[in-house]
Order: sequence, then structure tokens, then C-alpha cells
Amino acid sequence: KQEVTQIPAALSVPEGENLVLNCSFTDSAIYNLQWFRQDPGKGLTSLLLIQSSQREQTSGRLNASLDKSSGRSTLYIAASQPGDSATYLCAFEGMNRDDKIIFGKGTRLHILP
Amino acid sequence: KAGVTQTPRYLIKTRGQQVTLSCSPISGHRSVSWYQQTPGQGLQFLFEYFSETQRNKGNFPGRFSGRQFSNSRSEMNVSTLELGDSALYLCASSRSGRALDTGELFFGEGSRLTVL
Repeated sequence: KQEVTQIPAALSVPEGENLVLNCSFTDSAIYNLQWFRQDPGKGLTSLLLIQSSQREQTSGRLNASLDKSSGRSTLYIAASQPGDSATYLCAFEGMNRDDKIIFGKGTRLHILP
Repeated sequence: KAGVTQTPRYLIKTRGQQVTLSCSPISGHRSVSWYQQTPGQGLQFLFEYFSETQRNKGNFPGRFSGRQFSNSRSEMNVSTLELGDSALYLCASSRSGRALDTGELFFGEGSRLTVL
């Protein structure tokens, strides 16, 4: 059974620091992996999507990487800002057509001004 | 381009009642999926519809049901509400079958259900 784990559950860092959020999964038969951001009481906003044939994706200050062999994905945030404060979730979609998308429980990030 | 629209945004019900939530996907998107989000369990998959057919279903009791219309709009229904059904219900849409696109999901703002 596929499990998606995000550690740590919460993280506080001073503004300006670079940081890495982790997502690990147990099944390497991955179709794609997405990173989302969720603000309190809101829906999810897609940040980056990495397909199984890719190793990383970049958008602005965000970079997501995928290592299927180790079952890990990381989201790198450069030069963090208070506006980056949110919960970040990763979502795993397996290769089988009937596979459901499985979400991690997220990392709650707080950027200290 | 309009995003995913969910209605109502907030609602309060009592135990035993039933509720219907609505989701309008992004224009041109044929896949709609529903998720329940609670602090303890996180995001859990309810079901997915594609071209009016349920394509996948999560591990929820039969009280949870859904449907999709020919215009791709979707509704989910929860009957005989229980206190534990209090949650944020999120709808997501994507373009089409996985073989044809990247599978990127676009979420609505959610419907927050409180059961008293």
C-alpha cells in the first residue's frame, strides 16, 4: 500500500533563508508527483508537477526534484518570504490507471519576519 | 479563465440530515475528483468522475455518493450526517484521462461542512 510521508510536520525559519521540504513515498512506480500550497481555510494551489520521466521542475524561487530510486521528492524554496507561510503538500499518483492520488499530510511552514 | 467553483462555501447541518455539494470544473476539464480534508486524517480521496462515469472510489461508506453531469459539473451527497463528517470538502478538476495529459489538478476553495 502506497504511503506518502512529509517530515517535518511544521517548520519555522527566519525570512531570507533557503529551505527544503521533504516528501517520501514507498512505491517507486510513480506516474507523477505534484507539490501544492494551501493557505488556511483555502483550497490547494498547484506549485510544481514532476512527471516520472523528469528529475526536477523549477518555477521562480521554487525547485522540486524527484528521485524515484530513493522514493523521495524535495521542494526547495530560495530566499524565503513571509508570504511563503502556508502548508505545503505533496501528492503521489501511481502508474496503474486505477491508482488514486495519495496526499501527504503536509508541512506547515512559518516564515518569521 | 475561471477556476474551479464550489458551492456553498460554508454550511451547518445537524446529525441525520443530508447535504449536497456542487463543483463546477474549469471549462474543458472532464475529470472531477472529490476529497475530504480533516485535521487528523489530512486529505482523503472520495471519488473521481470522468465523462459522467465514476472512475475511482475511495474507502468511504455508502452514505457518500456523487454524480457528474453532461456539462462536467459534479455534485456529491452525504446522507445521514454524522459528527465525524465535519470537514473541508475539496473538488479538483483536470483535463482528461491520464494517458492524455499531465494529470495536473486544479482545486476549488472548498465547502466547509459543520455537523452539529
